[in-house]
Amino acid sequence: GQNIDQPTEMTATEGAIVQINCTYQTSGFNGLFWYQQHAGEAPTFLSYNVLDGLEEKGRFSSFLSRSKGYSYLLLKELQMKDSASYLCAVRDQNYQLIWGAGTKLIIKP
Amino acid sequence: SQTIHQWPATLVQPVGSPLSLECTVEGTSNPNLYWYRQAAGRGLQLLFYSVGIGQISSEVPQNLSASRPQDRQFILSSKKLLLSDSGFYLCAWEDGYISGANVLTFGAGSRLTVL
Repeated sequence: GQNIDQPTEMTATEGAIVQINCTYQTSGFNGLFWYQQHAGEAPTFLSYNVLDGLEEKGRFSSFLSRSKGYSYLLLKELQMKDSASYLCAVRDQNYQLIWGAGTKLIIKP
Repeated sequence: SQTIHQWPATLVQPVGSPLSLECTVEGTSNPNLYWYRQAAGRGLQLLFYSVGIGQISSEVPQNLSASRPQDRQFILSSKKLLLSDSGFYLCAWEDGYISGANVLTFGAGSRLTVL
């Protein structure tokens, strides 16, 4: 079967750096997405990786290693508004999105 | 630019009552459309997806159904709601051209409570 694993919950301090990991086992690979979802709201797109390496977008970066079936989302200079769930999703060989259960990130002052 | 509208935002329904959630997309043609459900504190469960008018694929057998009467309209329905149907329902769209890089964009969601 297809599977995506993320930690259920993480806690970090305002101003710090946090890394949220995602490992996947899917039938084929056509890209990996990270979404942010604030409580009670819809997910919003953060990043897309299809080649190995690091993609940087301001305070957020996303890394992919296809050979290891591994990705991480790196959040720098954490702000209170970064408190949210972060969802990892992979497009399989049929271009269907397989979703992880999400990581709830709690930011403490 | 493309926008997605989903309504109603919130509804409270008694067990056994019908349901209709509607979603429309503007600014694009022939999108792929999706209905997801998210239980409290859980991940996204794909319910239905559609690649064109009248074409519906169901991922989870249940008492829900979906229809796509127009290119940019997607409707989620139920004839008789169950308590287990409570949750956060999300409509989403992506470009119909097949590409791994297509970004799935979500509507604001509909929170359903069945009592």
